[in-house]
Amino acid sequence: DIQMTQSPSSLSASVGDRVTITCRASQGISNYLAWYQQKPGKVPKLLIYAASTLQSGVPSRFSGSESGTDFTLTISSLQPEDVATYYCQKYNSAPFTFGPGTKVDIK
Amino acid sequence: EVQLVESGGGLVKPGGSLRLSCAASGFTFRSYSMNWVRQAPGKGLEWVSSISSSTTYTFYGDSVKGRFTISRDHAKNSVYLQMNSLRAEDSAVYYCARGGISRWSPLDFWGQGTLVTVSS
Repeated sequence: DIQMTQSPSSLSASVGDRVTITCRASQGISNYLAWYQQKPGKVPKLLIYAASTLQSGVPSRFSGSESGTDFTLTISSLQPEDVATYYCQKYNSAPFTFGPGTKVDIK
Repeated sequence: EVQLVESGGGLVKPGGSLRLSCAASGFTFRSYSMNWVRQAPGKGLEWVSSISSSTTYTFYGDSVKGRFTISRDHAKNSVYLQMNSLRAEDSAVYYCARGGISRWSPLDFWGQGTLVTVSS
């Protein structure tokens, strides 16, 4: 099975900072990669799919990119409401594995 | 408005069984794949199972294969997860999540979850 890793596991940044989270697949998954945001005590929310397509209603400060088996979620200007854990997920074939998550908070 | 409402969680002894239900509304249920995802307390998300729109395909994570069964009823707009031979490590919030019209799709809507606790 394809493994998904994320780095870092946590980060602390200031409001307005540019934040980058990386997800790596152990094998090629084309662009079948999604990013989810889970705020504390809340249900996960789809942010980005097909590696770089923003889900409807998601602020434009979120963006996604891919380079081979490496995928990046970028928050261009971190806001207080972005405090959350972010997960990547592969969906090219089963099992639809999630990454271990990256916890983002405000410095 | 898309709504997914899970039910059926609770406390069960190790080795026991439980059946989770997810009632869907606000979209053409029969056209979408459906999924179950779980989250143990303080842990990350774990994909559990998926069923295609036509029920032709079902998929399971290795940790539940042979013990859990996913099914759906288009007349009731519902998806189910039959969980047998439950273990302590199955304790988690179980989320129902909508996939897409195509077989390989992200999960775009999630229910609020139902808590399963496996303990003696």
